[in-house]
Amino acid sequence: GAVVSQHPSWVICKSGTSVKIECRSLDFQATTMFWYRQFPKQSLMLMATSNEGSKATYEQGVEKDKFLINHASLTLSTLTVTSAHPEDSSFYICSARDQQDRGETQYFGPGTRLLVL
Amino acid sequence: AQSVTQLDSHVSVSEGTPVLLRCNYSSSYSPSLFWYVQHPNKGLQLLLKYTSAATLVKGINGFEAEFKKSETSFHLTKPSAHMSDAAEYFCVVSVAGGYQKVTFGTGTKLQVIP
Repeated sequence: GAVVSQHPSWVICKSGTSVKIECRSLDFQATTMFWYRQFPKQSLMLMATSNEGSKATYEQGVEKDKFLINHASLTLSTLTVTSAHPEDSSFYICSARDQQDRGETQYFGPGTRLLVL
Repeated sequence: AQSVTQLDSHVSVSEGTPVLLRCNYSSSYSPSLFWYVQHPNKGLQLLLKYTSAATLVKGINGFEAEFKKSETSFHLTKPSAHMSDAAEYFCVVSVAGGYQKVTFGTGTKLQVIP
């Protein structure tokens, strides 16, 4: 149980294009999903918290217009990197919190590696 | 405010010997604490969690951790390391209350020597 998927797992795009990453909770409902960014050999940096049916809460320093987050259903959140540039290249990981879990456990997706040329 | 300190960025052990990965935390509220493992180019897998129940928590793959409030520690241990344990380990503190605040440690890379 508690499986989270991400799609795509790898994406290579040209500078200036937009990329959409999907995060799905496969066997549970997630009212809250989180988006992280991880640079090589570093820890995860929380970008934003996504709540179903409402606007995402962004961490300080994360551009809302650059990283668009939509959480339209209890099992799906999307992160769109708009007008991507090489400095956006990174490993993006989502996590989801089980609506029934009062212990606040986050279940992580396998990650999406983005390379912007 | 809350923070997590993983005291070792890199730990090297021989296969079959004990593993100790250290984590200290600070939190203004009663926290939940987690250990996650990340293998190269993979997402994070939950090893174990502490959520104000038993202070000694047993997780998957033979790992366990003990919550010590007096020492503000949550060290991860395993009696006997296996080659497959080589990975990056993250200690995480989480505080609920309207807006869940999650803080990651900087990670400890575990190397297992055959």
